[in-house]
Amino acid sequence: QVTLKESGPVLVKPTETLTLTCTVSGFSLSNARMGVSWIRQPPGKALEWLAHIFSNDEKSYSTSLKSRLTISKDTSKSQVVLTMTNMDPVDTATYYCARIRFLEGYYFDYWGQGTLVTVSS
Amino acid sequence: QSVLTQPPSASGTPGQRVTISCSGSSSNIGSNTVNWYQQLPGTAPKLLIYSNNQRPSGVPDRFSGSKSGTSASLAISGLQSEDEADYYCAAWDDSLNGPWVFGGGTKLTVL
Repeated sequence: QVTLKESGPVLVKPTETLTLTCTVSGFSLSNARMGVSWIRQPPGKALEWLAHIFSNDEKSYSTSLKSRLTISKDTSKSQVVLTMTNMDPVDTATYYCARIRFLEGYYFDYWGQGTLVTVSS
Repeated sequence: QSVLTQPPSASGTPGQRVTISCSGSSSNIGSNTVNWYQQLPGTAPKLLIYSNNQRPSGVPDRFSGSKSGTSASLAISGLQSEDEADYYCAAWDDSLNGPWVFGGGTKLTVL
């Protein structure tokens, strides 16, 4: 059974750095043609892709947030970590991690439950 | 402003067939496959359609997807009250917008 679970702080202050961890089970982060993405959703708004990392360690970031994001993985711990620097109230959102799978195209086949992060002083 | 364009809302009565459109460009829908996600109130998105028209195991065949050129559509037939949700299209994008782009979401109301 594939599961993903996000963890991290519920509240961060402006200018602080956010660190989120996605712990996966039911598959390995070394599986070929698989990866993990981070996606966020501000309250009442649409989904926004942030970053991904594949099994071969290939990484990619949202163009608009690239300077603030870092994604990494620890295969032995089955964890993917996202850091976002210089947090601002507009970054308040539910942050999801999702598994990427490739079969006739890439798609997110399993999602975590999400974690709500509020940015406020 | 989302890269993929969806109508903000759609509605139908139980038993009806409704369609939700998703418009993109040559760098995303025009050259890559389209996926659809269903987000029930207060829950995480769930994969509904992948690779334009494929249903994951467990998704009813009332849901179907199609793609033509730079546009895609999600059709729901035999509409049920539990289909009331937000629906998002997504695709890989080969331009600087990408690699992943989403639609702005369509809120489906079952009247």
